[in-house]
Amino acid sequence: KQEVTQIPAALSVPEGENLVLNCSFTDSAIYNLQWFRQDHGKGLTSLLLIQSSQREQTSGRLNASLDKSSGRSTLYIAASQPGDSATYLCAVMKTSYDKVIFGPGTSLSVIP
Amino acid sequence: GAVVSQHPSRVICKSGTSVKIECRSLDFQATTMFWYRQFPKQSLMLMATSNEGSKATYEQGVEKDKFLINHASLTLSTLTVTSAHPEDSSFYICSATGLAGATDTQYFGPGTRLTVL
Repeated sequence: KQEVTQIPAALSVPEGENLVLNCSFTDSAIYNLQWFRQDHGKGLTSLLLIQSSQREQTSGRLNASLDKSSGRSTLYIAASQPGDSATYLCAVMKTSYDKVIFGPGTSLSVIP
Repeated sequence: GAVVSQHPSRVICKSGTSVKIECRSLDFQATTMFWYRQFPKQSLMLMATSNEGSKATYEQGVEKDKFLINHASLTLSTLTVTSAHPEDSSFYICSATGLAGATDTQYFGPGTRLTVL
């Protein structure tokens, strides 16, 4: 059974800092891994999608890496801003038409 | 990218009433839709998988008679919470996948916040 964990559960940093969020999954047989952002009380915003054959994806100040063999992914946020404050969820899919299994999330607060 | 909508976005109801939530794929045909539930300060948990034209598959612990799912067309799935109680108050999110080769991931709706008084 696939399990996804995220460390840390919560993180508070001053504005401008670079930070790393960690995600681990127990079954390396995944189809893809996705990072989402969820603002308080809102839905999901897809940030980055990494296919199983890829090692990383970048979008603006965000960079996500994937090490499938070790069951790990990291989300790197450069030059953090208060607007980055949200909960970040890591999620994996086993096949292209399978359910998404979410991690518990990391709650990020960027202090001005 | 593909768009999935949900209606309503927010609903408040009295205990004992039934609530229907719609999930629509706006610009693609969704053979499979998924319903997730998120309790406060928790992550999303899959409730059921809905395939067009067939009965939904429910996750362990989810009551199929309480959470009725209908996927009557390739663009619409509905979740009906029957005889809702305060413990059913949650954030419900649907997602959809397209036809073979049409998409590499699931597209998520914006969610529906249900509050049962």
